[in-house]
Amino acid sequence: AQSVSQHNHHVILSEAASLELGCNYSYGGTVNLFWYVQYPGQHLQLLLKYFSGDPLVKGIKGFEAEFIKSKFSFNLRKPSVQWSDTAEYFCAVNSGTYKYIFGTGTRLKVLA
Amino acid sequence: GAVVSQHPSRVICKSGTSVKIECRSLDFQATTMFWYRQFPKKSLMLMATSNEGSKATYEQGVEKDKFLINHASLTLSTLTVTSAHPEDSSFYICSASGTGSGPYEQYFGPGTRLTVT
Repeated sequence: AQSVSQHNHHVILSEAASLELGCNYSYGGTVNLFWYVQYPGQHLQLLLKYFSGDPLVKGIKGFEAEFIKSKFSFNLRKPSVQWSDTAEYFCAVNSGTYKYIFGTGTRLKVLA
Repeated sequence: GAVVSQHPSRVICKSGTSVKIECRSLDFQATTMFWYRQFPKKSLMLMATSNEGSKATYEQGVEKDKFLINHASLTLSTLTVTSAHPEDSSFYICSASGTGSGPYEQYFGPGTRLTVT
């Protein structure tokens, strides 16, 4: 069965620190990959997505992610986080259908 | 961008009563809608997938007689929690995909916080 793992459940960083959140998936076929963010009290918003092409994907708010097929990974990065990046981040995968498999989420807290 | 709304945003109901949650796609036709449940500090759990005009497909372990889903039009899907119990208290999120959405991309509603007393 397909699954998505986010190994970092809670991350605490100071402002200006660099961020990398891990996402690994288990599926051998073609996948579409997504990162969503959920700010406190708000709905899920799409940060970035990968369908094909350049494995380094740029998203909104300075986020980027790199698809490494050989490692089944799609890690999210940001060079310098801000207090406003405090949120929960979800990695999601689908494989040629609309049905998503979500990771368990990573709660990021950025200290001002 | 594609916008999905949910109503109500919060609802409190008494045990044994039923509550209906609406999910609307505001600026595109949602051929497929999804209903998720989000437990505290946990990920989104897909409950069911509904295609306009047909019966919903429920995930394993989700009681279809308890969580009634209707997708009668291309812009509206409803989730009715029947005979609600305190353990049904949760955050329910809908999403939609269809014309105007990217390939295999879902757009999420803001969620509905259900509290059953």
